[in-house]
Amino acid sequence: AQKITQTQPGMFVQEKEAVTLDCTYDTSDPSYGLFWYKQPSSGEMIFLIYQGSYDQQNATEGRYSLNFQKARKSANLVISASQLGDSAMYFCAMREGLSNTGNQFYFGTGTSLTVIP
Amino acid sequence: DSGVTQTPKHLITATGQRVTLRCSPRSGDLSVYWYQQSLDQGLQFLIQYYNGEERAKGNILERFSAQQFPDLHSELNLSSLELGDSALYFCASSPRRTSGLGELFFGEGSRLTVL
Repeated sequence: AQKITQTQPGMFVQEKEAVTLDCTYDTSDPSYGLFWYKQPSSGEMIFLIYQGSYDQQNATEGRYSLNFQKARKSANLVISASQLGDSAMYFCAMREGLSNTGNQFYFGTGTSLTVIP
Repeated sequence: DSGVTQTPKHLITATGQRVTLRCSPRSGDLSVYWYQQSLDQGLQFLIQYYNGEERAKGNILERFSAQQFPDLHSELNLSSLELGDSALYFCASSPRRTSGLGELFFGEGSRLTVL
């Protein structure tokens, strides 16, 4: 089974609107971390936001928020007030376990977001 | 700047050749990960090292090998190159979880073109 599933290959959003990018995960480990990364057309991978499995509140970082629904194993990224610069590929990732000697990371296939002026 | 350095940034070579990609992790990070991203594809995990030891192996071809040296830099060796090996190769490092979120910090990638 896929560890991380992103079912939206491509999304469009009007500038200044909010958009939700879906991510579901699969793990039996009670300790894990969920991450979102942005990859603009220039290619670099930019860390956006993190949610720990024991965190009680949804993570927020500026215009980014993570809608964490543990029972449903979903970790959707919400981008508010979309900007043209948000057009990029977005990857959801999971780190399994709390080992300090190197954890496995799993990435989804990504969602390509296009912001329309 | 993530603090992870990858060289070279771009590399063009011919089929059958061998190349070495180099990665210097962030200062203090013991874990190094290698990923391959082909055109319009997601990230394919290749291999992971922690403090010089191999920790996990993904879909790494037998023609590919890697190692992490005592100074913690890592090299990914790609041999008998094929056209399909053309991709963006990322190195990432991760701190010990107790140092923060434990997220991956990515280098800018090495773009390999095999002609």
